[in-house]
Amino acid sequence: GQQVMQIPQYQHVQEGEDFTTYCNSSTTLSNIQWYKQRPGGHPVFLIQLVKSGEVKKQKRLTFQFGEAKKNSSLHITATQTTDVGTYFCAGPGGGGSQGNLIFGKGTKLSVKP
Amino acid sequence: DVKVTQSSRYLVKRTGEKVFLECVQDMDHENMFWYRQDPGLGLRLIYFSYDVKMKEKGDIPEGYSVSREKKERFSLILESASTNQTSMYLCASSLFGTGTYEQYFGPGTRLTVT
Repeated sequence: GQQVMQIPQYQHVQEGEDFTTYCNSSTTLSNIQWYKQRPGGHPVFLIQLVKSGEVKKQKRLTFQFGEAKKNSSLHITATQTTDVGTYFCAGPGGGGSQGNLIFGKGTKLSVKP
Repeated sequence: DVKVTQSSRYLVKRTGEKVFLECVQDMDHENMFWYRQDPGLGLRLIYFSYDVKMKEKGDIPEGYSVSREKKERFSLILESASTNQTSMYLCASSLFGTGTYEQYFGPGTRLTVT
């Protein structure tokens, strides 16, 4: 079945360092979404990418959608302690899914002050 | 603001008990979802519903059932709770349409089955 794989599973960085998480799908995606879950919290939607090769920025966060629409990345420049949490990518479920998503397992980011 | 609420933040039940987890959303969303979240396994879809009285199995429906009698409410039922159902349960809702819409999550229910 369709899978969305995300790496790395964990990333520990010093505050001020950059961070990147990668998402790969076994099939072409019509779109990809990114969510952030703070420790003790629930996932919160960050962004959706739709177009091949699309790049979107939110302050220090840069999101990319691959040309083949099978991979995506989230890059954080100069991490801060407020960036701590788990970042998930998610693609549409297959076969007339009516809106359900397949989530990657997430990348847990810790930031050392 | 979209609000998704869940009936309990923490719940402790005994093996064999019937457990009801309730989820309510206030944004008139058609889609509602139940996930469980376990360390290292991410978010796994249990069931979802795209309309009242409609339900679809997700990736891990075994041991669970759902009910959607009203548009704003989606219930997850554990007919006979087992220890391997100890987990964080997250409810979400979204619009329904030809595209894929962002999902809004509730705060979660941490269920412990002893």
